[in-house]
Amino acid sequence: SQTIHQWPATLVQPVGSPLSLECTVEGTSNPNLYWYRQAAGRGLQLLFYSVGIGQISSEVPQNLSASRPQDRQFILSSKKLLLSDSGFYLCALTAYNSPLHFGNGTRLTVT
Amino acid sequence: GESVGLHLPTLSVQEGDNSIINCAYSNSASDYFIWYKQESGKGPQFIIDIRSNMDKRQGQRVTVLLNKTVKHLSLQIAATQPGDSAVYFCAENKGAGSYQLTFGKGTKLSVIP
Repeated sequence: SQTIHQWPATLVQPVGSPLSLECTVEGTSNPNLYWYRQAAGRGLQLLFYSVGIGQISSEVPQNLSASRPQDRQFILSSKKLLLSDSGFYLCALTAYNSPLHFGNGTRLTVT
Repeated sequence: GESVGLHLPTLSVQEGDNSIINCAYSNSASDYFIWYKQESGKGPQFIIDIRSNMDKRQGQRVTVLLNKTVKHLSLQIAATQPGDSAVYFCAENKGAGSYQLTFGKGTKLSVIP
């Protein structure tokens, strides 16, 4: 079965510091990968998606970037965090017509 | 998805009763709809999905109803249990055949023992 690994589970970072969140998947190949952000009490906002290695589509302009160096690895980064970057970051995948499947997320607090 | 303010809509249901969670979607071109359950501190978990060529689909204790005329989606949970307490999200795809989803703001279900 498909498994998504996200780490860390929680992260506290100061404003202006860099960010790197990693997502790796198991149990599938050639997945479409997604990064979502969820602010407190809000729905999920799609940030980036990738249909293959090195292929990144950005849904909203922001302070973040994404990369896909390997088929099953998706990284979310920032050079300088803002307070507004705080939130719950979720990696997700679809593969072979399967429904969107989420990892358990990283809770980021920017102080 | 739903157009709601900062506060999540809430639904309180007595244990054993049936729950109905509603969702209004906006894109008439959407042909795929899905419900997720999210417990505190966890990622959303798939519950059930439905395509636009269907009006109703049933799973284990859950039923999804789709009314394309009024662009309305509902999730029915039979014999609600304390473990059903969570935030429930509906999502629609961005157009026919698209795998990208637009999520509603969510409804918080609280089950009263």
